[in-house]
Amino acid sequence: NAGVTQTPKFQVLKTGQSMTLQCAQDMNHEYMSWYRQDPGMGLRLIHYSVGAGITDQGEVPNGYNVSRSTTEDFPLRLLSAAPSQTSVYFCASRRGVSTDTQYFGPGTRLTVL
Amino acid sequence: AQSVTQLDSHVSVSEGTPVLLRCNYSSSYSPSLFWYVQHPNKGLQLLLKYTSAATLVKGINGFEAEFKKSETSFHLTKPSAHMSDAAEYFCVVSDPGYGNKLVFGAGTILRVKS
Repeated sequence: NAGVTQTPKFQVLKTGQSMTLQCAQDMNHEYMSWYRQDPGMGLRLIHYSVGAGITDQGEVPNGYNVSRSTTEDFPLRLLSAAPSQTSVYFCASRRGVSTDTQYFGPGTRLTVL
Repeated sequence: AQSVTQLDSHVSVSEGTPVLLRCNYSSSYSPSLFWYVQHPNKGLQLLLKYTSAATLVKGINGFEAEFKKSETSFHLTKPSAHMSDAAEYFCVVSDPGYGNKLVFGAGTILRVKS
């Protein structure tokens, strides 16, 4: 199994540009989520999905969209990038309930100029 | 609401000495608690988890943590630090009463001196 994969690893955007961060998992996990990591703030939940066709907002959803058309894929879209969205983004998946181990991707480092 | 407080942003120990990383949580229900480790420029890896079974939980690489409900604490310990333990550690709480979402602490950076 490849586990959780994310592309790209690094990205530089200009303010106002849009882009999609890709996330895929091959473990047939129902629960997938996106986090952003900023220094001294831990990881904060952006959006999550409990299964194909079902998504919901996390703690910091503004400026981001998600969709879940398949079990495997959970892309994160930045609609109009802002410097405040400069961060490291992690995708994660787990089988289902909160006691299951959550597996993280390697991260995408995004810089918005 | 659920929350996590990691009491130290940085901890420095000498190689071979004990490690203690402190975590307090707040949850209205019966939480699951986790410790994750992140080595520089890497993703997060699960060290151990508590899920309402034994209160003393053993994890990978010699780490363990004890769930103390009366103190709302879940401190991470290791008897003898190794250079490879230098990393950032995150305490995490999850509760079915809050939609099974994970809430992360701010992290503790562990430095190991030779």
